[in-house]
Amino acid sequence: AQSVTQPDIHITVSEGASLELRCNYSYGATPYLFWYVQSPGQGLQLLLKYFSGDTLVQGIKGFEAEFKRSQSSFNLRKPSVHWSDAAEYFCAVGPGQAGTALIFGKGTTLSVSS
Amino acid sequence: DAGVIQSPRHEVTEMGQEVTLRCKPISGHNSLFWYRQTMMRGLELLIYFNNNVPIDDSGMPEDRFSAKMPNASFSTLKIQPSEPRDSAVYFCASTVGGNTEAFFGQGTRLTVV
Repeated sequence: AQSVTQPDIHITVSEGASLELRCNYSYGATPYLFWYVQSPGQGLQLLLKYFSGDTLVQGIKGFEAEFKRSQSSFNLRKPSVHWSDAAEYFCAVGPGQAGTALIFGKGTTLSVSS
Repeated sequence: DAGVIQSPRHEVTEMGQEVTLRCKPISGHNSLFWYRQTMMRGLELLIYFNNNVPIDDSGMPEDRFSAKMPNASFSTLKIQPSEPRDSAVYFCASTVGGNTEAFFGQGTRLTVV
């Protein structure tokens, strides 16, 4: 079955500290992978995506993610967290075909302490 | 572009009433998705359309839920009759053919009392 697992429901990091949010997927074919961020009361905004090529992808707001096929993982990282990064983060997987739906993980809530 | 537009942003209704949520996708996008977000179940895909045609409605929880896309610029999600357990945030998203990146609206927060 196709699924996305985000093992951490809630993470708290200090401002300025590094961040890693975990994402594992189960998918029968080569996946297209995404990270979205949701601020309170807002919709989901795309942070970055991986389709093919370089397994380390850069996104907006200083985020990056690394695709590791052997581990079925697509972890999100940021070297130095800002208070404005506090939000909910969703990993998603899709088949890469036009008009097909993404499957989302349940999300990780990030809190940033000062 | 104004992005995906959903209305209303908030809806409070009484149990048993009909509720209609509306979505205007990004112009030129030909796939539209309805998701429901709850604390317990996260983001669930309800139904999606390609070129105004429903492709997969297996996520629609019950017959009380129905969705239509009469044209490329408008879709509705209707719940009739509504129940308290339908309380959630409903998101609409759209994509353009060949690019699976989904663009989301700001959602409709539905409360059924």
